[in-house]
Amino acid sequence: SAVISQKPSRDICQRGTSLTIQCQVDSQVTMMFWYRQQPGQSLTLIATANQGSEATYESGFVIDKFPISRPNLTFSTLTVSNMSPEDSSIYLCSVLTPVQGQSYEQYFGPGTRLTVT
Amino acid sequence: AQSVTQLGSHVSVSEGALVLLRCNYSSSVPPYLFWYVQYPNQGLQLLLKYTSAATLVKGINGFEAEFKKSETSFHLTKPSAHMSDAAEYFCAVSASGNTGKLIFGQGTTLQVKP
Repeated sequence: SAVISQKPSRDICQRGTSLTIQCQVDSQVTMMFWYRQQPGQSLTLIATANQGSEATYESGFVIDKFPISRPNLTFSTLTVSNMSPEDSSIYLCSVLTPVQGQSYEQYFGPGTRLTVT
Repeated sequence: AQSVTQLGSHVSVSEGALVLLRCNYSSSVPPYLFWYVQYPNQGLQLLLKYTSAATLVKGINGFEAEFKKSETSFHLTKPSAHMSDAAEYFCAVSASGNTGKLIFGQGTTLQVKP
């Protein structure tokens, strides 16, 4: 299994500012992801955080708005840049870990609840 | 492309009654399917997953789901609802295999009445 912690757990920010969210995993994992859950909506994949290289972004998400770092196999950060109220969401870190055989298990962090005023 | 549709954004059942949460998927390749639960102010927890093995999948907390290819469905059931089952439930499909890139449905809020 994998235990994921995120910091901060919540924040209220002013528009135009940036916030960096940290994701820490208790074991080394190959695959890390960032998801967004907008109010009253489902989860959407933002990007795959690649260790040692640039993140891979999904359609509709760009590096300038959501820069991601992945310095090692247990840690990643997501920055929400130049925030607007539309960025108010829960941001979740997720990891994929191998289990016995050739199967994988996916875990999600507790999320960071961001409110932009 | 893959997509997931959850029928019913809110489902209300009485304690002890059958829980049925509906999920239909669309996938151009054999899908991997998942059900997650989200309790208030908590992260997502995996209930169960289908990865092309047995079509009837048993998960935690007494939940199970059946993969029906002919109906493109993966409905979640539990014979007897508990008050503690009240939560948001998400069905998800993996873009291709177990890649970690999940496409989620809109979610179903389960209310359990005493």
